[in-house]
Amino acid sequence: DAGITQSPRHKVTETGTPVTLRCHQTENHRYMYWYRQDPGHGLRLIHYSYGVKDTDKGEVSDGYSVSRSKTEDFLLTLESATSSQTSVYFCAISNERDRVKKETQYFGPGTRLLVL
Amino acid sequence: GESVGLHLPTLSVQEGDNSIINCAYSNSASDYFIWYKQESGKGPQFIIDIRSNMDKRQGQRVTVLLNKTVKHLSLQIAATQPGDSAVYFCAESPSGYSTLTFGKGTMLLVSP
Repeated sequence: DAGITQSPRHKVTETGTPVTLRCHQTENHRYMYWYRQDPGHGLRLIHYSYGVKDTDKGEVSDGYSVSRSKTEDFLLTLESATSSQTSVYFCAISNERDRVKKETQYFGPGTRLLVL
Repeated sequence: GESVGLHLPTLSVQEGDNSIINCAYSNSASDYFIWYKQESGKGPQFIIDIRSNMDKRQGQRVTVLLNKTVKHLSLQIAATQPGDSAVYFCAESPSGYSTLTFGKGTMLLVSP
């Protein structure tokens, strides 16, 4: 998994509670991404980061926030979890330097989140 | 169970056959394309990529073809093996952006 770990790997939580998922990389890549994967929707981008403290929204960012205080860590927070956020969450990294010469995204193993 | 495969288009082949998985992409401004393989319970795994200045690219047992005129991408797998059974996703990246948009995926089933 290209030096990417995600924690926790599985989590069950209750509606209304805050949840934080962590992505950690050992590759020193500039870009990090959070996706969710649901049946019928494939992979959808939630937020991404292009450097420490530099983040931007993706397609499905409502209800999620992110932070990146170090190159190696990218945190995804569900401020108040809802049942619609039950999903599998994947982190990805890319060594892209600029938007002209793009580089591949490599994915972590995923976190299964169940919101009851 | 693994729900990512529910209701996906499915391609069933015999071991040793060549497989072709197709993808229609949406953005004519996309300039970078990737194919990923996802096995049950795992994250997507990079297979091969292609940039818009190319029509064809070959890897080990895999070939990606890009037809920009009709916005079509295909992945050819030679001598398909049972270990190739997985869900395959195409992804596109628009020019000027560092993000990917994924297709819904195709499930490949390889029988011995």
